[in-house]
Amino acid sequence: QSALTQPASVSGSPGQSITISCTGTNSDVGGYNSVSWYRQHPGKAPKLMIYDVSNRPSGVSSRFSGSKSGNTASLTISGLQAEDEADYYCCSYASSSTRYVFGTGTKVTVL
Amino acid sequence: EVQLVESGGGLVQPGGSLRLSCAASGFTFSTYWMNWVRQAPGKGLEWVANINPDGSEKYYVDSVKGRFTISRDNAKNSLFLQMNSLRAEDTAVYYCAKSNWFDPWGQGTLVTVSS
Repeated sequence: QSALTQPASVSGSPGQSITISCTGTNSDVGGYNSVSWYRQHPGKAPKLMIYDVSNRPSGVSSRFSGSKSGNTASLTISGLQAEDEADYYCCSYASSSTRYVFGTGTKVTVL
Repeated sequence: EVQLVESGGGLVQPGGSLRLSCAASGFTFSTYWMNWVRQAPGKGLEWVANINPDGSEKYYVDSVKGRFTISRDNAKNSLFLQMNSLRAEDTAVYYCAKSNWFDPWGQGTLVTVSS
């Protein structure tokens, strides 16, 4: 089971919107509505930002939204803020013996 | 408040063993799937293993099958990862995480496999 493919880096200016893609296969992203997204600041544990493709946990800003089309899921951050500068990972349930697969990770830079 | 606290990491020689623990509080531990996820230095996240609420179902990433064993003690609200035949490539911060949504995560415990 290979890692899901994410762009290595994405950047944007404060207030702008950015989108991070997460590409898998029919056996993971495309086969299940079980895609989640995590934000990780340096030296910290990851934090859940989106679950089940497009649902926001309580306490997560509405600036974060998720979607999926075919084998590709996406995370959009609108109104980019300095605190959004971090690494972001997608994760999907998978039909293989490896039950979950993470993405390669995307470093978001706020210019 | 939901809290997960890992312990048991450290320096171990290749071929050695280590047992990680994760102490859970603030939720009904016995009703949730639990996971171990690792992150090698400077690298991305990798799911390692998970276990169902009563401990009867366990799943592992291929690279640790036969070497690692996940278990839990619901009476003590604790999750474990027994790691045997450790390799240099197992060096990572190991996190425990609650439920199928990996929410929340503990602070992690560092495992270093080196001679």
